[in-house]
Amino acid sequence: KNEVEQSPQNLTAQEGEFITINCSYSVGISALHWLQQHPGGGIVSLFMLSSGKKKHGRLIATINIQEKHSSLHITASHPRDSAVYICAVTPLNSGGGADGLTFGKGTHLIIQP
Amino acid sequence: KAGVTQTPRYLIKTRGQQVTLSCSPISGHRSVSWYQQTPGQGLQFLFEYFSETQRNKGNFPGRFSGRQFSNSRSEMNVSTLELGDSALYLCASRLRTGVMNTEAFFGQGTRLTVV
Repeated sequence: KNEVEQSPQNLTAQEGEFITINCSYSVGISALHWLQQHPGGGIVSLFMLSSGKKKHGRLIATINIQEKHSSLHITASHPRDSAVYICAVTPLNSGGGADGLTFGKGTHLIIQP
Repeated sequence: KAGVTQTPRYLIKTRGQQVTLSCSPISGHRSVSWYQQTPGQGLQFLFEYFSETQRNKGNFPGRFSGRQFSNSRSEMNVSTLELGDSALYLCASRLRTGVMNTEAFFGQGTRLTVV
């Protein structure tokens, strides 16, 4: 079982719809990251969360540490939002320090005009 | 402020050869992490360097190695290339100020094809 699970794997929606992508993890973490990857490979960091909620423009990310769950929401979705959205966590290692990121498999989002 | 720069962007190598990839972090960032992305395995952590020292290592064979220089630039090397090493290799830089978690900034990646 992967330490980081994302759902759905694929999502196609119409422009303007409200989008929700979910991420569950099974390890202790010091932070959770939401990343966006466009065709061509480049990755952009959208959010880094350790508690609560963050908002950037039309994007909102929430995390519930007790339930080990995070969601990424996109309001008023647009075709330019089409990308792969990846959830990643910074696991706590046995020494209490931070290891490298552990990634979910990603959610392929397509927003149709 | 310049972003994270990876060179080269594309590379084709033959099985058995070795390859060196380079990553220049954002100015002032001292942590560089390397990741491998393949269609089957997704993104996987290779290693992290901070202040010229490897701090963490993922579950990859010893053919994968790296180093970091005093200017924080990092290189990773893969020896005795195998077909399965074909992947997108990404590096990420972070500002480590004593706070454990800071945002990671990714480069565009180097796409390695082994033939």
